[in-house]
Amino acid sequence: GENVEQHPSTLSVQEGDSAVIKCTYSDSASNYFPWYKQELGKRPQLIIDIRSNVGEKKDQRIAVTLNKTAKHFSLHITETQPEDSAVYFCASKGGGSQGNLIFGKGTKLSVKP
Amino acid sequence: ETGVTQTPRHLVMGMTNKKSLKCEQHLGHNAMYWYKQSAKKPLELMFVYNFKEQTENNSVPSRFSPECPNSSHLFLHLHTLQPEDSALYLCASSQEGVRGSYNEQFFGPGTRLTVL
Repeated sequence: GENVEQHPSTLSVQEGDSAVIKCTYSDSASNYFPWYKQELGKRPQLIIDIRSNVGEKKDQRIAVTLNKTAKHFSLHITETQPEDSAVYFCASKGGGSQGNLIFGKGTKLSVKP
Repeated sequence: ETGVTQTPRHLVMGMTNKKSLKCEQHLGHNAMYWYKQSAKKPLELMFVYNFKEQTENNSVPSRFSPECPNSSHLFLHLHTLQPEDSALYLCASSQEGVRGSYNEQFFGPGTRLTVL
């Protein structure tokens, strides 16, 4: 079945710096790659997603890139702020009959003021 | 209330108890999901209901029993749980279309379950 690897598991940056989180997936038929942010004690919330027919997508300080050939996608956060501190999960929607989301293990991002 | 709601938010139960978790979505979606979130593990998909029909059961032990009476409500019945079942149980919903479509999953706030 589909497997999603996410790195790093923890990331600490200074306010204003950039943060990059990387994920790889195994199912070449996967076609949808969302990123969720989960603040402490709260529910996961979608922050950005990308479809397999697009290589890059940007929304203000957040961008996601997709390399279908290498089967990896990345989240880029620029000009980080303390409120960006949270756990970030990548996910891949498989190409199988159900196509359910498979999540990575998460990256705990800490932004130090 | 809007979005996806879950009750109770916290639950402590003994191994011999029977309890149920409830999820309700107010988004008009046709698919609902149960996930288990444990420390240092990825979100684990447990069950999927699409148009009220269970379409996925990821080898979940029979002590977890889902029920989906309609497209807006989802229950998870718990019986004879083990301490290792302690986790955050998240419900989610989405609007699914044809095979291969992709739509955002909206999560509920979760139920923090502790099994003594």
